[in-house]
Amino acid sequence: EAGVTQFPSHSVIEKGQTVTLRCDPISGHDNLYWYRRVMGKEIKFLLHFVKESKQDESGMPNNRFLAERTGGTYSTLKVQPAELEDSGVYFCASSQVGHQETQYFGPGTRLLVL
Amino acid sequence: AQSVTQLDSQVPVFEEAPVELRCNYSSSVSVYLFWYVQYPNQGLQLLLKYLSGSTLVKGINGFEAEFNKSQTSFHLRKPSVHISDTAEYFCAVNYGGSQGNLIFGKGTKLSVKP
Repeated sequence: EAGVTQFPSHSVIEKGQTVTLRCDPISGHDNLYWYRRVMGKEIKFLLHFVKESKQDESGMPNNRFLAERTGGTYSTLKVQPAELEDSGVYFCASSQVGHQETQYFGPGTRLLVL
Repeated sequence: AQSVTQLDSQVPVFEEAPVELRCNYSSSVSVYLFWYVQYPNQGLQLLLKYLSGSTLVKGINGFEAEFNKSQTSFHLRKPSVHISDTAEYFCAVNYGGSQGNLIFGKGTKLSVKP
């Protein structure tokens, strides 16, 4: 069974540009989460989807971040326009309904904004 | 506020020595506890978890952790480490509820030396 996959693995962009990160959860996992680790800090929760609906987006830093999960399968996280402080590693995780406490993480996308 | 504390940011240890990585969390009625490991240039891998039942849980690669409710701790241990255990280890807590997002500690970098 394939794990959580994320694309791209790395992205280097200039301040003001737009970047879109993609996450494919484990097949059959209705719960999908985005997390972020800024350098030197702890991994922090951004938001949680249940199928295509946003269950909790309390961790989204500001309105430059837009997450979608059309059709309840893969998810995208768009940053527009990117700022220097958006640099970090963006992790996606998924879990099954009924076992949502156990989350399985993807390899992360390393974003560097110059 | 809910929080997770990993007091040691770095732990150097010689090969075949025992190791303990400490994790404390802010008290709550019920918690789910996790340790994740991130090997160099890889994503987060679930090492072990405590959901209920026996307070001593065993994980992959010979690691184990003990849930101590009175001390609000979930320390990770291994009796004899290998070079390949060099990685960053994260303690994470799910404080329950329908959202299910994890709160992470800042991570502990374990460096195993020959």
